[in-house]
Amino acid sequence: DIQMTQSPSTLSASVGDRVTITCRASQDINNWLAWYQQKPGKAPKLLIYMASSLEGGVPSRFSGSGSGTEFTLTIGSLQPDDFATYYCHQYKNYSPWTFGQGTKVEIK
Amino acid sequence: QVQLRESGPGLVRPSETLSLTCTVSGASISSNDRYWGWIRQPPGKGLEWIATIYFSGSTYFNPSLKSRVTISVDTSKNLFSLKLTSVAAADTGFYYCARSTMFRGAPGHFDSWGQGTLVTVSS
Repeated sequence: DIQMTQSPSTLSASVGDRVTITCRASQDINNWLAWYQQKPGKAPKLLIYMASSLEGGVPSRFSGSGSGTEFTLTIGSLQPDDFATYYCHQYKNYSPWTFGQGTKVEIK
Repeated sequence: QVQLRESGPGLVRPSETLSLTCTVSGASISSNDRYWGWIRQPPGKGLEWIATIYFSGSTYFNPSLKSRVTISVDTSKNLFSLKLTSVAAADTGFYYCARSTMFRGAPGHFDSWGQGTLVTVSS
């Protein structure tokens, strides 16, 4: 299995802060990576696919980068609606498809 | 706009079979560029992919669950279903159905999700 490791597990930040979350894959996954946002009691929502492509309707303050084994999700200026848990997801290999353990973004 | 809705019992007894259905509206489950899958999440924990199916019947399974999982599709009713046998407390959690894109002839990212349904395994 391809292991996906996110860091940090929890992040405390203030409105307006620039926030970066890292996801590392245990082997090369090219750019076959997605990011999701999940709020309490809700389903995950797709933010980014193919490592850096913004899903339609997602604010432009969200961006993704990386390839190979290291990826980042950046929120350019944190907004109140952005406090949530974020997950990365690799879909390179049917090995099985795996998610990171999640990063919770909390209010500082 | 596609909508997915899970349905099924919220309580299942240990050793019995968990059965869930995902009804799709706003899109055809017979779309030739989409797959349909199940993901679960124990309360307070992370996401685990369970299985995925294509309208033609091609299936993909998480090896850790494959021996207990059946996934099927009913194109006439525009829905797909999950069965998980011999459940235990560790199978308790939120179960989501989701649509995934097709990428290089295989499932890609999940672009639409159902709201999820909580299934508790308890006697």
